[in-house]
Amino acid sequence: GQQVQQSPASLVLQEGENAELQCNFSSTATQLQWFYQSPGGSLVSLLSNPSGTKHTGRLTSTTVTKERRSSLHISSSQTTDSGTYLCAPDTNAYKVIFGKGTHLHVLP
Amino acid sequence: GGIITQTPKFLIGQEGQKLTLKCQQNFNHDTMYWYRQDSGKGLRLIYYSITENDLQKGDLSEGYDASREKKSSFSLTVTSAQKNEMAVFLCASSLNANSDYTFGSGTRLLVI
Repeated sequence: GQQVQQSPASLVLQEGENAELQCNFSSTATQLQWFYQSPGGSLVSLLSNPSGTKHTGRLTSTTVTKERRSSLHISSSQTTDSGTYLCAPDTNAYKVIFGKGTHLHVLP
Repeated sequence: GGIITQTPKFLIGQEGQKLTLKCQQNFNHDTMYWYRQDSGKGLRLIYYSITENDLQKGDLSEGYDASREKKSSFSLTVTSAQKNEMAVFLCASSLNANSDYTFGSGTRLLVI
């Protein structure tokens, strides 16, 4: 089945620095979503990017489908960006598999 | 905008008890999901339902039952709670297979 590896496991930044999060997965995916989980636990979809490059606000995701990898770039990080970022490619229609996440801490 | 509501927010059960978690969405989404999140293990799919009256097993379905009573609601039952079990159960919905997921705020389970 689909395996998802996210790196780094944890990242500490100073406010204003950029973050680069990586996601590698074992099987071809037709859909890939990035989620943010707040320290309180709620999960929010950030963007869907099965291939190519997508921007939303300070977030840029690049997915190279045939290499089975995706990245999430956060520019000018803020303390409110702190939390866990989860990568979720699908394994087939309707079955999305989650990585363990990158825990981001942005210091003031 | 819509909302996806999970009840209860916190659930304390006893070993061997049957426990039911509920999820309601008013997005008119076709597909609903139940995930379990354990510390250090990420989210694992328990059950999903493509549309009303449909049920599909995920990777972690053993020990659970699910019911899609109507399009807007999806229930999950822990058939026999395990002592010292502690996890967060997350419900999600999506319009269809290729749509973004919307998650509820979770039910935190503790079994004593």
